[in-house]
Amino acid sequence: DSGVTQTPKHLITATGQRVTLRCSPRSGDLSVYWYQQSLDQGLQFLIQYYNGEERAKGNILERFSAQQFPDLHSELNLSSLELGDSALYFCASTPHPSTFGSGTRLTVV
Amino acid sequence: KNEVEQSPQNLTAQEGEFITINCSYSVGISALHWLQQHPGGGIVSLFMLSSGKKKHGRLIATINIQEKHSSLHITASHPRDSAVYICAVRSRPGGGADGLTFGKGTHLIIQP
Repeated sequence: DSGVTQTPKHLITATGQRVTLRCSPRSGDLSVYWYQQSLDQGLQFLIQYYNGEERAKGNILERFSAQQFPDLHSELNLSSLELGDSALYFCASTPHPSTFGSGTRLTVV
Repeated sequence: KNEVEQSPQNLTAQEGEFITINCSYSVGISALHWLQQHPGGGIVSLFMLSSGKKKHGRLIATINIQEKHSSLHITASHPRDSAVYICAVRSRPGGGADGLTFGKGTHLIIQP
């Protein structure tokens, strides 16, 4: 158990819709890193928050946004969903993969 | 061109065979990770390397910093080793995004 909690585990939604994925970091960690794993692109770093502030941006689409709240949990908002957004979304609370959460599997139909 | 290249993409072998998966990267790194992902989707961290060699059970990981290359070896392979193996690198501090950069993974199937 990494100590990082992601909800929901599975999400099925239609194209054009908006969803919110949630991540709670391991106790004591101040960062949240979001990653996307799709069949064609593999794993990609999306964005990092540290203590409520955006720290680094990776390959995150403009339709996606994230925030980190005072209690340090983070939400990844995905809007105007397309079929290609179907993927596993992971979060982590350090750069070390041992803190990966179990992921949210998003299916866009 | 991906900053992290893995080979082979797919590998099928017989139980007991010695397996080698390769990873080459083009950026300066502070650490390289080998990850394992089973069909259920969960990611397990196998090794973190910054130099030399590490061994855990039947798994061995090596890294050559000068050549920007790492290998993951599995000795006496077993069907339960069937998984996707992913190489990931963390850039040196100050190199931009603090997250990991990943190879596309090697799909390994070990047949009984």
